[in-house]
Amino acid sequence: DTGVSQNPRHKITKRGQNVTFRCDPISEHNRLYWYRQTLGQGPEFLTYFQNEAQLEKSRLLSDRFSAERPKGSFSTLEIQRTEQGDSAMYLCASSLASQTDPYEQYFGPGTRLTVT
Amino acid sequence: DAKTTQPPSMDCAEGRAANLPCNHSTISGNEYVYWYRQIHSQGPQYIIHGLKNNETNEMASLIITEDRKSSTLILPHATLRDTAVYYCIAADSWGKLQFGAGTQVVVTP
Repeated sequence: DTGVSQNPRHKITKRGQNVTFRCDPISEHNRLYWYRQTLGQGPEFLTYFQNEAQLEKSRLLSDRFSAERPKGSFSTLEIQRTEQGDSAMYLCASSLASQTDPYEQYFGPGTRLTVT
Repeated sequence: DAKTTQPPSMDCAEGRAANLPCNHSTISGNEYVYWYRQIHSQGPQYIIHGLKNNETNEMASLIITEDRKSSTLILPHATLRDTAVYYCIAADSWGKLQFGAGTQVVVTP
C-alpha cells in the first residue's frame, strides 16, 4: 500500500454512459497525476495538478475526458459518453515536488474500466 | 520528452546482479532518467532517478554515461520478487512520465 487510494477499483459500464473515478493522494503531496494503461502497454500520461491548478490538459485523450482537483486534495477523472476504446486501467499518482527537484511518484492501485 | 529504448525481455538468476540497459540518445539537458517497475496487476513503483551523476539507493544503482545517451540500472542481488516490467523514462522535473514498453525481467531460482 503506497498511501494513494483509488475508487472504485473496478467499473463496468455500458457504452455511452458517463463514469467518474476518484483518487486520494498522500495528504501532504502537492502534485497529482493521472495515467491510462492499456493491456500490454506502459502507462500513458494524461494530465496533472500542482495543488488545485491543472498544469496540462493537452494529453487528455479527447474532450470527453476531464479532471478536477477542487481543493488541492483528492481528484476526480470523468469520462463522458464512454466508448469501448476507453477500456483500460486508470492510474493516479502523487508526489511532493518542486519544479527543480523531482521526487518519486507514488502510484495507486488503479481503477480498471470495462466498457461493454 | 526524449524516447528511450530498452530490450523487451531479460532473464536473471536469483542472487546475481541484473544489469538493465536503456538508450536515450535524444535526452535534453534538463531531462532526468527515471526508473520505475511494475509488478503484475499493481501500480508502478519508483526505483531511482538521476540527472548526470551515478546514483545509488537501497533498491538499485543507476549508472549514466558521461554523454548521457544511455544508462544502466543495476539490481545488485536479484530476488524472485524483482520479477517485473522495468521502465526507463527520460523526463523533466515536472514528472510527466511517458512509459514505453519496458523490459520484462524474469528472475529464476
